[in-house]
Amino acid sequence: DTAVSQTPKYLVTQMGNDKSIKCEQNLGHDTMYWYKQDSKKFLKIMFSYNNKELIINETVPNRFSPKSPDKAHLNLHINSLELGDSAVYFCASSGRLAGYTDTQYFGPGTRLTVL
Amino acid sequence: AQTVTQSQPEMSVQEAETVTLSCTYDTSESDYYLFWYKQPPSRQMILVIRQEAYKQQNATENRFSVNFQKAAKSFSLKISDSQLGDAAMYFCAYRSVAGGTSYGKLTFGQGTILTVHP
Repeated sequence: DTAVSQTPKYLVTQMGNDKSIKCEQNLGHDTMYWYKQDSKKFLKIMFSYNNKELIINETVPNRFSPKSPDKAHLNLHINSLELGDSAVYFCASSGRLAGYTDTQYFGPGTRLTVL
Repeated sequence: AQTVTQSQPEMSVQEAETVTLSCTYDTSESDYYLFWYKQPPSRQMILVIRQEAYKQQNATENRFSVNFQKAAKSFSLKISDSQLGDAAMYFCAYRSVAGGTSYGKLTFGQGTILTVHP
């Protein structure tokens, strides 16, 4: 009965490679997000999608491309990985749940390590 | 743009005691939401408590309560009867109710590491 799931949980790759992280939510939410948590544990939003439409794009390099095939999925593709991309990436979703449309629920995170 | 500040990088508390974590924010908006999230070593982000700015009453969730001072832009978290399982990093977060390109955006503070001593 996982609410927000991400795959993989760990990703180790070489510089220059292309990788994807997948996110799925079964909460019936209509908005999904990607956050990045850096080595100092600081969390910052990258993207948000509402009903498959891109809403937020927070000055993220073009190498990062989110894709939302449907309301339940938001994937993150990263091209030409760099050392500085090493971080934990969190997917989150929000929508009508017990009357609260504002609360975001997070996935378990994907720890990306670029060597 | 909104900013959130947690001025205590680390806090510690004895089991069964009470601890308060501080959070201040800066905004020109009159309506918004505030949250506390907990991140244990498992790294899962867990919602602890939420507060709507238009409500004067402070939110409570079991042992967790907030002291929301809207005029002072302060939103502290009080943990009563601390338990070993409360040990984690705690993040304060702000969410605007505005739509447009900021819709749903959570702005986080730097986090406070809470240690609970047995």
